[in-house]
Amino acid sequence: QSVLTQSPSVSGTPGQRVTISCSGSSSNIRSNTVNWYQQLPGAAPRLLIFSNNQRPAGVPDRFSGSKSGTSASLAISGPQSEDEADYYCAAWDDNLNAVLFGGGTKLTVL
Amino acid sequence: QLQLQESGPGLVKPSETLSLICTVSGGSIDTTYYYWGWIRQPPGKGLEWIGSAHYSGNTYYTPSLKSRVTISLDTSKNQFSLKLNSVTAADTAVYYCARKTQWLVQSWFDPWGQGTLVTVSS
Repeated sequence: QSVLTQSPSVSGTPGQRVTISCSGSSSNIRSNTVNWYQQLPGAAPRLLIFSNNQRPAGVPDRFSGSKSGTSASLAISGPQSEDEADYYCAAWDDNLNAVLFGGGTKLTVL
Repeated sequence: QLQLQESGPGLVKPSETLSLICTVSGGSIDTTYYYWGWIRQPPGKGLEWIGSAHYSGNTYYTPSLKSRVTISLDTSKNQFSLKLNSVTAADTAVYYCARKTQWLVQSWFDPWGQGTLVTVSS
């Protein structure tokens, strides 16, 4: 069981805003920045959001990240069919001296 | 453009040592702000960080694997490696290598290699 908790699945239509949450603790999310990774079916993960809310070059602006206290969120405004993927949050944990990944959330676009 | 490529045996026998190499092209591994790491993903499951290493010799490993894992860098070949000993079927996974940018409390993995499946079976 992951120390960073994500809901297993989420769904939405292209006209909606979908949010994926990541719950942690003071030793990880509160103390360090959060990153989000997207894993398309059969592919390697790729960096989607870094340092809580920064998008790498090439990531569409419909993806946004935020953090408050011991939780973080990834929002997708108007998800597209090509966004169907697994999404993972990640953060460093000061107590474990380890990188933690959330369990992943599968996005289905209806 | 930095690229990473994993290589190594796809099949390892139980109790033996899993050995993988990540070859880095398009950039040097002896750079101050970068660590080099391994992440794995068992079939149908989520991501698990294994460890990261810096060319200075600093290494960090996930607590559950610390007694069995070694990550080392070969700057002359621009490669880094993973060794995991005493493997069992639970170590069957796709293994990814990735560059880890590290700056104060900020760190992230980018880019990633394509991954290589390692099966532990007799």
